[in-house]
Amino acid sequence: AQSVTQLGSHVSVSEGALVLLRCNYSSSVPPYLFWYVQYPNQGLQLLLKYTSAATLVKGINGFEAEFKKSETSFHLTKPSAHMSDAAEYFCAVTENYQLIWGAGTKLIIKP
Amino acid sequence: GAGVSQSPSNKVTEKGKDVELRCDPISGHTALYWYRQSLGQGLEFLIYFQGNSAPDKSGLPSDRFSAERTGGSVSTLTIQRTQQEDSAVYLCASSPRGGIGTDTQYFGPGTRLTVL
Repeated sequence: AQSVTQLGSHVSVSEGALVLLRCNYSSSVPPYLFWYVQYPNQGLQLLLKYTSAATLVKGINGFEAEFKKSETSFHLTKPSAHMSDAAEYFCAVTENYQLIWGAGTKLIIKP
Repeated sequence: GAGVSQSPSNKVTEKGKDVELRCDPISGHTALYWYRQSLGQGLEFLIYFQGNSAPDKSGLPSDRFSAERTGGSVSTLTIQRTQQEDSAVYLCASSPRGGIGTDTQYFGPGTRLTVL
């Protein structure tokens, strides 16, 4: 069975600083990987997904993620954090059709 | 177009009562999923519907949970004899094709269930 590990249940960065949210997966086959964001009291919104077309994937709101097979990683980054980025971020991998989720990382933005 | 909608947004019930949660997927999406989000367990897959095929119920935690999808569209998740551990946010998602790992799942806002 596949699994996803997100390092850090909470990450705090200053406004304008680099955002780095870590995601590692375990998969015996080429994975399809997703990052979703959940704003307070809202549903999950897709940020970006990796489907093997390109290793660097650009998403919405200035986020991007790089697939590194050698490191089994799919870390999410954004060059400059904004207050509106405060939310919880989930990394997920598909196993057949269902999503297997990481535990989530809450991103805190300091003014 | 309209996204996935779920109702009610909040449900408070007493232990032992039955509840029904409703999901309206995006029009034209063939696949529909239910997930549960709880503090202790994170996000868990519950059930998957794909077209007219038999649903994959492998994620349902007990036989108190059941779900149906009528006419390939609206879905209802029913929890019988609710227990306090059923308290969670129940999320519904739909995707255009299903059965494909690259298919994007679009989520509704969820139903927050509280069992007293």
